[in-house]
Amino acid sequence: AQTVTQSQPEMSVQEAETVTLSCTYDTSESDYYLFWYKQPPSRQMILVIRQEAYKQQNATENRFSVNFQKAAKSFSLKISDSQLGDAAMYFCAYRSREGNNDMRFGAGTRLTVKP
Amino acid sequence: GAVVSQHPSRVICKSGTSVKIECRSLDFQATTMFWYRQFPKKSLMLMATSNEGSKATYEQGVEKDKFLINHASLTLSTLTVTSAHPEDSSFYICSASSGWSRRTEAFFGQGTRLTVV
Repeated sequence: AQTVTQSQPEMSVQEAETVTLSCTYDTSESDYYLFWYKQPPSRQMILVIRQEAYKQQNATENRFSVNFQKAAKSFSLKISDSQLGDAAMYFCAYRSREGNNDMRFGAGTRLTVKP
Repeated sequence: GAVVSQHPSRVICKSGTSVKIECRSLDFQATTMFWYRQFPKKSLMLMATSNEGSKATYEQGVEKDKFLINHASLTLSTLTVTSAHPEDSSFYICSASSGWSRRTEAFFGQGTRLTVV
């Protein structure tokens, strides 16, 4: 099964600054999807951004962008102009296009935003 | 956006009893549903993947006789924890997807906090 690794258990950023969260994954598949989800204290999972593996262009959603390096199997999330509301757990996820199309998550990174 | 409703949000049950958790997609047809378990301050651990009308595929180490999953319709999946024990206490989350060709992301329910006493 595919594995997703987030090597930063905790990160901190000053309000209005930029922070990058790291994610790597292991797969033998050539086509798949990658996601970043946010989980605030309410524990409701919220989609932040997604990336199709066959697209070379990095996805962007307002202040959120990714750096997708397919050969390196790396998928980092950059948050620009950080806001207090960005504080949450961030999970990187991999969704397979084969088999059951299951979705697997990394261990998560807890982001703290300092005012 | 797509809405997934999970019920109940909290449940307390006695050891040895069974508890059922429902996961409904309110405004789309969920061909695939996922069930996860999340321990405090930990990641989501995939328990099983179910496709409508088919038997669920369980992850290694997950007891299928203990965690019964039913996905009988395109809008409803249930997880039944049978003969619950205190070690089954956890946060359970479902997610639903409408099919690879249309929407690739999964939408999540609010989660269910199960406490077995």
